[in-house]
Amino acid sequence: DTGVSQDPRHKITKRGQNVTFRCDPISEHNRLYWYRQTLGQGPEFLTYFQNEAQLEKSRLLSDRFSAERPKGSFSTLEIQRTEQGDSAMYLCASSPYRGSNTEAFFGQGTRLTVV
Amino acid sequence: DQQVKQNSPSLSVQEGRISILNCDYTNSMFDYFLWYKKYPAEGPTFLISISSIKDKNEDGRFTVFLNKSAKHLSLHIVPSQPGDSAVYFCAASDGRAQKLVFGQGTRLTINP
Repeated sequence: DTGVSQDPRHKITKRGQNVTFRCDPISEHNRLYWYRQTLGQGPEFLTYFQNEAQLEKSRLLSDRFSAERPKGSFSTLEIQRTEQGDSAMYLCASSPYRGSNTEAFFGQGTRLTVV
Repeated sequence: DQQVKQNSPSLSVQEGRISILNCDYTNSMFDYFLWYKKYPAEGPTFLISISSIKDKNEDGRFTVFLNKSAKHLSLHIVPSQPGDSAVYFCAASDGRAQKLVFGQGTRLTINP
């Protein structure tokens, strides 16, 4: 078990370009979360999957953001027409189904810089 | 609307002494609370959690206390070690929402 894996670790892009990030959760975890963290703040929830179903999206997730989890395994987060305000650390987490309360395990994150 | 607050941005403690990190929350629906530790350029690492049916949970050097009436939780680290220097986040969830709400973090520095 190698933990939650995210790729790439760093991404620099020009404003207006599209970017896509990948997350591979811990293999037996059926829940997958995306969070965003900016400097000096805690992670903020973006969206959540149970298997392949996207069950909740934050209002932070504008229509430029889309997330998928085909076949309930890895997930991708795409940002279209990036803006400078999108610069942040994007964190993926996974957790096993164990009732309603369980800890989430985070990947190392993808740091996005929009120039 | 900051539902989880860590009012101390930083804390400095001498090695071997006790570190106490505090967290307040406003949402009475929260029923599960967690502490995460974060090093620079890494994702948060889970430390310890507590359910609202308990008021204390202990794991080695780490103890979390929950005061539901005050909507307050704290993390005690004793004895503090240099490797404990990191940013600590408290987080909360309710069974319905399935998501974590984080505080702003407290940077803990352990001085030799």
